[in-house]
Amino acid sequence: EAGVAQSPRYKIIEKRQSVAFWCNPISGHATLYWYQQILGQGPKLLIQFQNNGVVDDSQLPKDRFSAERLKGVDSTLKIQPAKLEDSAVYLCASSLDVGTQYFGPGTRLLVL
Amino acid sequence: RKEVEQDPGPFNVPEGATVAFNCTYSNSASQSFFWYRQDCRKEPKLLMSVYSSGNEDGRFTAQLNRASQYISLLIRDSKLSDSATYLCVVSQAGGNTPLVFGKGTRLSVIA
Repeated sequence: EAGVAQSPRYKIIEKRQSVAFWCNPISGHATLYWYQQILGQGPKLLIQFQNNGVVDDSQLPKDRFSAERLKGVDSTLKIQPAKLEDSAVYLCASSLDVGTQYFGPGTRLLVL
Repeated sequence: RKEVEQDPGPFNVPEGATVAFNCTYSNSASQSFFWYRQDCRKEPKLLMSVYSSGNEDGRFTAQLNRASQYISLLIRDSKLSDSATYLCVVSQAGGNTPLVFGKGTRLSVIA
């Protein structure tokens, strides 16, 4: 069974630039999550989708971060404009309605 | 107070040793508990769920104390391949609710 796919795997940008990350969850998984993991920390939830609806985005910095899951499958996370403190690994995870969350390999972002 | 607290370590132990990690959580409404393993530069992967009655999977034993809001993970007969960061994770309800992660405890098993 294919796992959660993410791209790109690495991205280096300058502050104030924009960046977008893509996630393709495991087939059939209705719930999709984006987490941010800063070096030395555990992952922190940014946003949770159930199909194409947002369940929880309380920790998403909405002035610069946005995410969508238009057709209830793939999702994109965008940062515009990026700040130095956005340097982190952005992890996508998916799950069935009730079940284990499976993580993708992550996108490593470095903001210079 | 952080929602999930762990000793970051590192724990450096010889092969064959027994090592225990502890974790406390602050939200008494938490219902689901897990240990995830994260290898260097890799994504977190579920190691085991933690049940009130305690559970064991081979060399790994997890225990939960709801009254003290405390979770533990015991690894017996440590292997070199156990070297990783172990993340204590809680959530308020079932599997599709957000996970709250601790910072992780780093384990190095030394030959």
